[in-house]
Amino acid sequence: DARVTQTPRHKVTEMGQEVTMRCQPILGHNTVFWYRQTMMQGLELLAYFRNRAPLDDSGMPKDRFSAEMPDATLATLKIQPSEPRDSAVYFCATGTSGGTLDTQYFGPGTRLTVL
Amino acid sequence: GQQLNQSPQSMFIQEGEDVSMNCTSSSIFNTWLWYKQDPGEGPVLLIALYKAGELTSNGRLTAQFGITRKDSFLNISASIPSDVGIYFCAPAGNNRKLIWGLGTSLAVNP
Repeated sequence: DARVTQTPRHKVTEMGQEVTMRCQPILGHNTVFWYRQTMMQGLELLAYFRNRAPLDDSGMPKDRFSAEMPDATLATLKIQPSEPRDSAVYFCATGTSGGTLDTQYFGPGTRLTVL
Repeated sequence: GQQLNQSPQSMFIQEGEDVSMNCTSSSIFNTWLWYKQDPGEGPVLLIALYKAGELTSNGRLTAQFGITRKDSFLNISASIPSDVGIYFCAPAGNNRKLIWGLGTSLAVNP
């Protein structure tokens, strides 16, 4: 049963520290989405990759957030320096492009708490 | 920007009851997706609708893509305890980007 893997599942850190979240796409998937979920804002798209190329990162705060795909099996989302307002659940979703819409299969998320 | 209204915000029902929730928008969309999120997990796709007026079922779930392309509803018949979770509508327009509702939180009393 192929699934999107995210690590770590939980992260507690102090303000100012660097945070790195990792995502392993389902084998064969060529699109990767990073979302942030909070009670107030719901699911917000941070970044979107297709074939490892960033297509849209307009939802991502550029000064402290960065998203990369070093290879097809790994996507990373970094926050440096982290702030308390970054506390949220971060989801990676992967899929295949084509048709009218890119499919999205979600990982279990990384719950980030910044103290 | 695009506005998406999902209602109700939360529901508390008895097992066996039918459930109805909907999403409306001032914008026109090409696709409506419905997802369910279990506690501590990521959203899972339930139903995808690609044509205005389309009515699609998945077991006890039925969803329709509104004829105006600005709304969609999701019905769950004969609810069971494992239906508990948050249900999201997520339409997409020409840019293929999903817009997410704030969700309907469903609680089922056995």
